[in-house]
Amino acid sequence: AQSVTQLGSHVSVSEGALVLLRCNYSSSVPPYLFWYVQYPNQGLQLLLKYTTGATLVKGINGFEAEFKKSETSFHLTKPSAHMSDAAEYFCAVSDTGAGSYQLTFGKGTKLSVIP
Amino acid sequence: ETGVTQSPTHLIKTRGQQVTLRCSSQSGHNTVSWYQQALGQGPQFIFQYYREEENGRGNFPPRFSGLQFPNYSSELNVNALELDDSALYLCASSLLAPAVNTEAFFGQGTRLTVV
Repeated sequence: AQSVTQLGSHVSVSEGALVLLRCNYSSSVPPYLFWYVQYPNQGLQLLLKYTTGATLVKGINGFEAEFKKSETSFHLTKPSAHMSDAAEYFCAVSDTGAGSYQLTFGKGTKLSVIP
Repeated sequence: ETGVTQSPTHLIKTRGQQVTLRCSSQSGHNTVSWYQQALGQGPQFIFQYYREEENGRGNFPPRFSGLQFPNYSSELNVNALELDDSALYLCASSLLAPAVNTEAFFGQGTRLTVV
């Protein structure tokens, strides 16, 4: 069975600073990895996904993540935080194939951006 | 806009009652997944329907059941409601097809409160 650990339930950064949200996973088969963002009272929006190929994945809103198999990590980064980035972020893994999307989520990291 | 709509948006039920939540999937999608998101937690996979058949189930009791209709819309039914069933219920639709796999698009969810 797969699992996801997100380090830090709450991260605060200053506007313009680097954003780094950590995600480690466990999976018995090559994983498919995802980052989702959730704004208050809304559903989940896909930021980016890794299935196969290039290990550095670029997503929407300037976010990117790097798949590191040796570290079983898929950390999310953004060079410069914007106030609109304040939201909750979820890392997820699927080991049943990219198409089935039976996702296992982490507990989430709430990002606060300080002006 | 993702095109996945859920109804109702909010619901209050009494312990022991039954509830039905509805989801209209995005046009062209043939797969619907349901997730339960308790307060302060990540979403947990309940089950998935593909072409009207259950295509995977998470660790939820049988009183959680579902249906998918020929137009690929879906229902989640929960019998004998318990207080711990209070959560945001998310529906996600995607397309499963050979060599063509889309991301999962989430609806805004139904907030269920059991009193």
